[in-house]
Amino acid sequence: GENVEQHPSTLSVQEGDSAVIKCTYSDSASNYFPWYKQELGKRPQLIIDIRSNVGEKKDQRIAVTLNKTAKHFSLHITETQPEDSAVYFCVESGTSYGKLTFGQGTILTVHP
Amino acid sequence: KAGVTQTPRYLIKTRGQQVTLSCSPISGHRSVSWYQQTPGQGLQFLFEYFSETQRNKGNFPGRFSGRQFSNSRSEMNVSTLELGDSALYLCASSLIGQTTYNEQFFGPGTRLTVL
Repeated sequence: GENVEQHPSTLSVQEGDSAVIKCTYSDSASNYFPWYKQELGKRPQLIIDIRSNVGEKKDQRIAVTLNKTAKHFSLHITETQPEDSAVYFCVESGTSYGKLTFGQGTILTVHP
Repeated sequence: KAGVTQTPRYLIKTRGQQVTLSCSPISGHRSVSWYQQTPGQGLQFLFEYFSETQRNKGNFPGRFSGRQFSNSRSEMNVSTLELGDSALYLCASSLIGQTTYNEQFFGPGTRLTVL
């Protein structure tokens, strides 16, 4: 079955610094890897996703990389801002419809 | 378009009781998934419905069940509640549901407390 390991569990940075979150997945058949952001008391929201036929994707200050051989994927946030403070989840969508397997989450705190 | 809605938002029950939670997906979305979120276990998949059929089920006991109606609205039921069932229950809808690539849009969740 699917399993996603996410590191670090907490990450504290100064405003303007970069933040990197790394994940490892288990199901080699997985082909879709979204990242969700959940602010305190709010619902998870998709911030970026990547499919298995792409190695890297960027959207303004956010980028995601995927290494299918090593079964690793990472989230990079540059020029962090206090409003980036939230819990970030890496997610593996395996071959089961409608099922997302979430990593344990990373609590990102950006200090002004 | 209105987002995913869930009712009720908060619920307090006692052990042994049963509870029904409701989820209304985004208009046009036919796939509805349910997740349990707890501080200890994180976000875990419960089950997914598409066109009124349960297609996938997570590793939860049979006390957790669900259904989907012809208008794609979904309900989940938990019978014989236990203290460990206290959690935030999230539903998510997606547009097509016939590939594994679809973005899932989450509702605000129902906070269930079991006393």
